[in-house]
Amino acid sequence: GAGVSQSPRYKVAKRGQDVALRCDPISGHVSLFWYQQALGQGPEFLTYFQNEAQLDKSGLPSDRFFAERPEGSVSTLKIQRTQQEDSAVYLCASSPGTSGVYYEQYFGPGTRLTVT
Amino acid sequence: AQSVTQLDSHVSVSEGTPVLLRCNYSSSYSPSLFWYVQHPNKGLQLLLKYTSAATLVKGINGFEAEFKKSETSFHLTKPSAHMSDAAEYFCVAYQGGKIIFGKGTRLHILP
Repeated sequence: GAGVSQSPRYKVAKRGQDVALRCDPISGHVSLFWYQQALGQGPEFLTYFQNEAQLDKSGLPSDRFFAERPEGSVSTLKIQRTQQEDSAVYLCASSPGTSGVYYEQYFGPGTRLTVT
Repeated sequence: AQSVTQLDSHVSVSEGTPVLLRCNYSSSYSPSLFWYVQHPNKGLQLLLKYTSAATLVKGINGFEAEFKKSETSFHLTKPSAHMSDAAEYFCVAYQGGKIIFGKGTRLHILP
């Protein structure tokens, strides 16, 4: 079956541009997570959705970062006025359970964002 | 603050020899702990998880991990390495609503 997909896989943006990263979770998965993975580091939690509700956005690094999941399926992570420090791989994961991490998270391949 | 420490950034073993990837966590009480593997250009995949049941947890592909509260450790082991095990491995802790990833250990398998 289809896994978690993310698009685009690679994105190059000039500093100051806005970008939108898309995540298609596994159909029927209730929970959706976004992570940021800098080069040579482990993923860092950004935000968590349960259906369309954003229950935790404590990991978003600044108010330039915004995530939505309006219909409880596809999610978009938007970064406004990109900065060089935003360069990273952005990972999306979905999970069938409502308790989030107590169920296996299925990860997408990530979007590599490079800000020049 | 809660943290996850993977003690080795790189580990090299010969094919057919045991694998040990070390992970320590800091927490005032037992968290839920996970190991994930990341192959190049592929998404992270769950190997195993500990959620306060048995302290010895068996995962996929012959991996297992033992939770040792006294040592605050959750080391990942495999009796015999295979070439296909070459990848990045992440130890992850979940506690108090926070998800913490270690920095990762890259496992190299020597022929």
